[in-house]
Amino acid sequence: ETGVTQSPTHLIKTRGQQVTLRCSSQSGHNTVSWYQQALGQGPQFIFQYYREEENGRGNFPPRFSGLQFPNYSSELNVNALELDDSALYLCASSFSGAHYGYTFGSGTRLTVV
Amino acid sequence: GENVEQHPSTLSVQEGDSAVIKCTYSDSASNYFPWYKQELGKGPQLIIDIRSNVGEKKDQRIAVTLNKTAKHFSLHITETQPEDSAVYFCAATPGNTPLVFGKGTRLSVIA
Repeated sequence: ETGVTQSPTHLIKTRGQQVTLRCSSQSGHNTVSWYQQALGQGPQFIFQYYREEENGRGNFPPRFSGLQFPNYSSELNVNALELDDSALYLCASSFSGAHYGYTFGSGTRLTVV
Repeated sequence: GENVEQHPSTLSVQEGDSAVIKCTYSDSASNYFPWYKQELGKGPQLIIDIRSNVGEKKDQRIAVTLNKTAKHFSLHITETQPEDSAVYFCAATPGNTPLVFGKGTRLSVIA
């Protein structure tokens, strides 16, 4: 059974640029939730993708967008990067739109300069 | 919406001692309370969870207790070992809605 994999592990972007983060869900899971974890804080929910559609969204602006593919993998896109977007972005997979039974990936550390 | 507070923010214990981390939640409708362990450079890993129809749950050295009336729940780790050193997060959710996390507790187990 493969776990959740995220790529890249680290990246540095300039303010105003755009970034795409990728996540492959755990085998048997069909739902992906994205969380943002600022330094010293708990993860905050960005959105969830289930059946290739957004299935709930947290308090994040529209410049945060996502996709889910037929193989259940997902992308998180952030446009017009701001310094405050610097954080660890975590992807969690689960089954059937659930918010329990999460398996988290190791995250992508994004630094905006 | 739900708000989760977690205490303490840091905790140091001697190896072999017990560690207790406490969380309070605000939404009386919350019914699922997981605890996650996050090691350096890794994502959170679920270590134990409890649902609102149960007051206590144990798994080897780890236990969680839930007091619905007071709206608080606690993680208890007995016989701590150096490999228990990590950041621990509590979370809560009222039904199948996104988890709301506490700010975390950095546990250091001193050998």
